[in-house]
Amino acid sequence: SQQGEEDPQALSIQEGENATMNCSYKTSINNLQWYRQNSGRGLVHLILIRSNEREKHSGRLRVTLDTSKKSSSLLITASRAADTASYFCATSSGGSYIPTFGRGTSLIVHP
Amino acid sequence: DAGITQSPRHKVTETGTPVTLRCHQTENHRYMYWYRQDPGHGLRLIHYSYGVKDTDKGEVSDGYSVSRSKTEDFLLTLESATSSQTSVYFCAINPGAGGFGLDEQFFGPGTRLTVL
Repeated sequence: SQQGEEDPQALSIQEGENATMNCSYKTSINNLQWYRQNSGRGLVHLILIRSNEREKHSGRLRVTLDTSKKSSSLLITASRAADTASYFCATSSGGSYIPTFGRGTSLIVHP
Repeated sequence: DAGITQSPRHKVTETGTPVTLRCHQTENHRYMYWYRQDPGHGLRLIHYSYGVKDTDKGEVSDGYSVSRSKTEDFLLTLESATSSQTSVYFCAINPGAGGFGLDEQFFGPGTRLTVL
């Protein structure tokens, strides 16, 4: 069963625009991670944010975490065609630190 | 790919036949995982391992077994493949430097399995 659910399921934007995708979850978490998956490839880790953190940055990526709303967002600034991929959030909660993955957001960036 | 390989990369088999998928890592990490990825379901955990001969079930373990006789290899076996096991299978490792599951996972390239 999925703990995190990404929204929207699909997002189509022009190169240079910002892309924002969200992840909502149901129970308290230990940490939340974002992964990218290019077509036909394995998942690649982007950012891990712990439950006591509110924001993290990595290059053009910005992740926020709002534990009161049980939600996280991933912002990709100045998107590029190469950012076209599926993006997944993964949460771990309770005594299990094994992440549970959502169904993903499919992002298409048009050149 | 963090030194993770999967074999075979593609396989077509018939219902009722046994199938073994192999995950091999070169980094000597303790924690290894098998997931399946299906449209509309995302990634679902099948089995995981926290050391040689130490394995446990995940969310969708029915019809699958695993073995880990060496640190570097984690095998996933479908004893009698069914069409519902047609999927893309991913192996992942967790360095575990921060403790079990506290760090990111690194994924292999995947195995596309088709059961006819």
